[in-house]
Amino acid sequence: EVQLVESGGGLVQPGRSLRLSCAASGFTFDDYAMHWVRQAPGKGLEWVSGISWNSGNTGYADSVKGRFTISRDTAKNSLYLQMNRLRAEDTALYFCARDMGPDLYYYYMDVWGKGTTVTVSS
Amino acid sequence: QSVLTQPPSVSAAPGQKVTISCSGSSSNIGNNYVSWYKQLPGTAPKLLIYDNNQRPSGIPDRFSGSKSGTSATLGITGLQTGDEADYYCGTRDSSLSAGVFGGGTKLTVL
Repeated sequence: EVQLVESGGGLVQPGRSLRLSCAASGFTFDDYAMHWVRQAPGKGLEWVSGISWNSGNTGYADSVKGRFTISRDTAKNSLYLQMNRLRAEDTALYFCARDMGPDLYYYYMDVWGKGTTVTVSS
Repeated sequence: QSVLTQPPSVSAAPGQKVTISCSGSSSNIGNNYVSWYKQLPGTAPKLLIYDNNQRPSGIPDRFSGSKSGTSATLGITGLQTGDEADYYCGTRDSSLSAGVFGGGTKLTVL
């Protein structure tokens, strides 16, 4: 079964850091680009970051650029999001999603995890 | 404020047809392909349409997509109560080098 499982969310103080993980299974992880998408409480979807199949191409939303870093580990079939200098407005449910292709071109997300919740509050 | 503009809500009766619009610009919809997603409360989004008008395996042909210029449209025919959900359009923005979504449209089946 094709599956994505996020972990690493939690309650964190403003200015601190958090690292999200996404474990992929049931498909050849190397063949696909991957994304992080978040959804603040009661709000719509916001694309956060994406990474190509070989990590050669990455992208970030302006709202997180310079604070968040996306990475992937082929050996562990895992995607990561290192989140630094967190702000209250980063509070959201963070989804990991698989792209239908290998590169950051089409941004079609055909497999989604259930998400992990990040709450930034003092 | 989302880069792509969708109506906040639409409604129609069971069995009827509804369309949801998604408006953008030349840097996103105008020069890229569009996808559509359905999200039920408390669940992850589900891909409905990609390549403007293609349906993934398992998506019924009641769902259709189209694109013209800098706008895209999702159509749903034969509305069912199970279609009540939030719907999002998405695409790539070439100027931003980023993915973008619409603000979402809540569909109510009366």
